[in-house]
Amino acid sequence: QVQLAQSGAEVKKPGASVKVSCKASGYTFTSYDINWVRQATGQGLEWMGWINPNSGNTGYAQKFQGRVTMTRDTSISTVYMELSSLTSDDTAVYYCARCAEQRRFGSWFDPWGQGTLVTVSS
Amino acid sequence: DIQMTQSPSSLSASVGDRVTITCRASQSISSYLNWYQQKPGKAPRLLIYAASSLQSGVPSRFSGSGSGTDFTLTISSLQPEDFATYCCQQSYTTPRTFGGGTKVEIK
Repeated sequence: QVQLAQSGAEVKKPGASVKVSCKASGYTFTSYDINWVRQATGQGLEWMGWINPNSGNTGYAQKFQGRVTMTRDTSISTVYMELSSLTSDDTAVYYCARCAEQRRFGSWFDPWGQGTLVTVSS
Repeated sequence: DIQMTQSPSSLSASVGDRVTITCRASQSISSYLNWYQQKPGKAPRLLIYAASSLQSGVPSRFSGSGSGTDFTLTISSLQPEDFATYCCQQSYTTPRTFGGGTKVEIK
């Protein structure tokens, strides 16, 4: 079955960077974009950006431009999201999600990874 | 950015009740609207895509409707496993944006 498996929880100090991985299985890795979404405790979902695993092309939310980098390694069907200059406001669960798209219907996220808790604390 | 506003933010209902959740977009998004269910400590799960298309494996008691700016998610007969938070998301343009969520609690 289609699955996205994310790396484990991280604790970082303010100013540091974090790199979260998302390993895909059960489908052709290069056929679907992967998006990243985060959720602070008790808050709503916040979209961060996308990567096309085939081309490596990316698109980032304005809020994260200059601070986020999404990459992929096609040899191991894995995408990465690196966020730099961390502050306490970046404490959240980070999700990767496969993006399915049909011209008539738009796009949607399914499935999602299990989430990776990133805690930023001094 | 397109703002997505859900109402209510929470509701209490009983098993067997019909539940309706509304999502409003700040501009027309055609039918590019998705609904997700999220349980505590779990990742979101896709329920409805393109406003009214039921995702494979999702029970038929879930349905979606609407187009333009106003959308509705309906649960025809609430089941114990449906107590969760529901969230809408637009795919009309980037940045993709989500509603704030509606928490469905047990009455």
